[in-house]
Amino acid sequence: AQKVTQAQTEISVVEKEDVTLDCVYETRDTTYYLFWYKQPPSGELVFLIRRNSFDEQNEISGRYSWNFQKSTSSFNFTITASQVVDSAVYFCALSEARIVQGAQKLVFGQGTRLTINP
Amino acid sequence: EPEVTQTPSHQVTQMGQEVILRCVPISNHLYFYWYRQILGQKVEFLVSFYNNEISEKSEIFDDQFSVERPDGSNFTLKIRSTKLEDSAMYFCASSVRAGGMPGANVLTFGAGSRLTVL
Repeated sequence: AQKVTQAQTEISVVEKEDVTLDCVYETRDTTYYLFWYKQPPSGELVFLIRRNSFDEQNEISGRYSWNFQKSTSSFNFTITASQVVDSAVYFCALSEARIVQGAQKLVFGQGTRLTINP
Repeated sequence: EPEVTQTPSHQVTQMGQEVILRCVPISNHLYFYWYRQILGQKVEFLVSFYNNEISEKSEIFDDQFSVERPDGSNFTLKIRSTKLEDSAMYFCASSVRAGGMPGANVLTFGAGSRLTVL
């Protein structure tokens, strides 16, 4: 069965600090996709990134970067020079590749509540 | 930017009552989903819907739940007889098919409908 673990329930840092959110996953599939979503105080889930299991290149987008390590089944998310607006709950999620197209099931982690203090 | 809209944003109901949550997915999307998030917990998959039928459902999605796409734009979740444990935030999502890659769909989520069962 698939499982996503975000061991950090809450993180609180001061603005401008770097912070890393951990994500560890379990799957028996060889082809799968990993996602990060952000849930700001307004409540919606905002897509941040998708990574497939064959692409282990790290990705950087502005102050955000993602480190995918298949050997440790981890897909960690780092925010550099954090800002107050980064305060949110961040979810890591896993989706397996389905033979029957159309069925998309995301398995989410518990989420990490990130608070950036001014 | 296109978005998924959900109504109502908050509904309070008595145990045993029927509830219908409504969603308007993004117009060119083909796949539709409902997820739920019990307060403080992870986001959980309920059901996926494609080509006018359920493509997958979770164990949570029992006979009390049903989904429908009554016209070309709305996608509804009905809970026939609500229980206290149905209190949660319900998220609708939609996606296009990601170039034929099963499992790679990026889901766009709505802002959620908070259901409180008393």
